[in-house]
Order: sequence, then structure tokens, then C-alpha cells
Amino acid sequence: EDQVTQSPEALRLQEGESSSLNCSYTVSGLRGLFWYRQDPGKGPEFLFTLYSAGEEKEKERLKATLTKKESFLHITAPKPEDSATYLCAVHTTSGSRLTFGEGTQLTVNP
Amino acid sequence: NAGVTQTPKFQVLKTGQSMTLQCAQDMNHNSMYWYRQDPGMGLRLIYYSASEGTTDKGEVPNGYNVSRLNKREFSLRLESAAPSQTSVYFCASSRVLQETQYFGPGTRLLVL
Repeated sequence: EDQVTQSPEALRLQEGESSSLNCSYTVSGLRGLFWYRQDPGKGPEFLFTLYSAGEEKEKERLKATLTKKESFLHITAPKPEDSATYLCAVHTTSGSRLTFGEGTQLTVNP
Repeated sequence: NAGVTQTPKFQVLKTGQSMTLQCAQDMNHNSMYWYRQDPGMGLRLIYYSASEGTTDKGEVPNGYNVSRLNKREFSLRLESAAPSQTSVYFCASSRVLQETQYFGPGTRLLVL
């Protein structure tokens, strides 16, 4: 069974304090890994798609990386507006649906 | 472009009542999806439609039905609502299956 585990469940940072969120996966074959951001009361907002180990993508203060067993979302010098829940999801070669992790709730204090 | 839109935004039902959640996308996507999101459970797929004219069950289809009305619209129906169906429902779409999915703003449903 495909599994996606995100850690930590919650993370509190001071503004400017860089850190990383983890998404580890156990799947039969990875077709793609997706990162989303979700603000309270809103739908998930697409951030990145990664397809193969070693791939990296960046957007403003966020950088996503992928290995054969996990992905990291690095947040550099975060600002309060980066506070949100970050979701990781995988598409596998064995199925047609996304499997989501439960998310990491990030709070950035000014 | 509005992207993915959902109506209503919020609904309260009594046990046994029925209702239909509406979803529309203006991105010319072929595939559409319905998810529910519950605390501690993450996002779970209810039904999906790979293309116009097809629908398939997801992870948690019991108690729900869907209709792919046309390429733009995908509705979710609760025939006899139960308290266990209290949740936040999200519609999503993608160009084709297994490509990036784009989500709507959600419908918050409370079943009393």
C-alpha cells in the first residue's frame, strides 16, 4: 500500500529562521511528487511537481528537492505570510489517484 | 480565468436530507475529482472522472454519487446525508490523469 508521511506535524519558526519540511514515501513506483500550500479555509494551492531523484525546484523562499525515498521543502528566511499548511502528495505507477500526506502546519512569527 | 469554482461555500443539512455539490472548471481540463478533507485523515478521494463520460470510485465512495455533466462540470450528490459526511469537500481538475491537480475553494458541509 502506498504511504506518505510528513514531518513534523507542526513547526513554529521565527521570521528569518530557515528550516525544512519532510515528506517520506513508500510506493511501488513514483510517477510524480507534488507540494501544495493550504491556507485556513481555502483549497490547496499548487507549488511544485518533482518527477525524479535529484530534481530541485525553487519559487521565492521555497525550494523542493527529491530523493528516492523522500522530499524536502526548504524554507529560507521565512516571513509571516509563509504561515500555512504544506501538503505533499504522490502519484504512483500502480494507480491513478494522488495519495496525500496529512500535512505540516507552519507558523512563522514576526 | 476563475479556475475551479464550487457552490455552495457552506451548507447545513439534517440527517437524511439530500443535496448536490456543484463544481466547474474553465481550464479545459479533461479530468476532475472530488475529495473530502477531515482532521487527522488528510485529503481522501471520493470519485473521479478521467474524461467526459467516465466516472470511477476513489478511496471513500460510499454514500456518494457523481455526474460528469459535460467537460466543465462535475457534481457530487449525497442522497441521504449522515453525520459522518460532515466534512470539507474539494473539487479539483487536471489536464489529464496523473498531472498536476488544481483545487477549488471548498464546500463546508455540516450534517446534524
